[in-house]
Amino acid sequence: EIVLTQSPGTLSLSPGERATLSCRASQSVSSNFLAWYQQKPGQAPRLLIYGASSRATGIPDRFSGSGSGTDFTLTISRLESEDFAVYFCQQYGSSPLTFGQGTKVEIK
Amino acid sequence: EVQLVESGGGLVQPGGSLRLSCAASGFTFSNYWMNWVRQAPGKGLVWVSRINNDGSTTSYADSVKGRFTISRDNAKNTLYLQMNSLRAEDTAVYYCISITVTWGQGTLVTVSS
Repeated sequence: EIVLTQSPGTLSLSPGERATLSCRASQSVSSNFLAWYQQKPGQAPRLLIYGASSRATGIPDRFSGSGSGTDFTLTISRLESEDFAVYFCQQYGSSPLTFGQGTKVEIK
Repeated sequence: EVQLVESGGGLVQPGGSLRLSCAASGFTFSNYWMNWVRQAPGKGLVWVSRINNDGSTTSYADSVKGRFTISRDNAKNTLYLQMNSLRAEDTAVYYCISITVTWGQGTLVTVSS
């Protein structure tokens, strides 16, 4: 099983700042099948990025994904008020599919 | 509009059964692998099961293997999860997802006497 470790656990930033979230895998993610999701309280997760760097339909270009192998990054170039939420990564290249434990982006 | 809508959740006693459904619209359902993912109250996301696009290949988390069965009807654009021998630890919101497309809004399953 591939273990995904997200860091930091909590990121305290101000609107307009840049957010950099990390997701590290315990072994290489097949075909870079790595997705990022945003989840707000009481809501379902929302797909942001798949295939490590492809933005999902309707996702603003301030969200970008990068990385390969075992190290992946989600970058939010300029935080807007609606971006404060919890972010999860997921690998779907091998079974069982696994999720990271999440990074909370909170208002400083 | 691309959409996944789950139904079938509810309160069930330990040892009981439920069948969840997920209706897809706005995309070519038969082209995509589909998954069930669950989230216990206040906890993280856990993958439950996956099925390939034509239904010929399935896989399960160890925690549900032998108790849950995933299936699909591409003619009806619908995904299913048959859950038997339910336990208290199966209590969660269950999401239907197509990883590269979208998530459903979830359906709550509560296993309690």
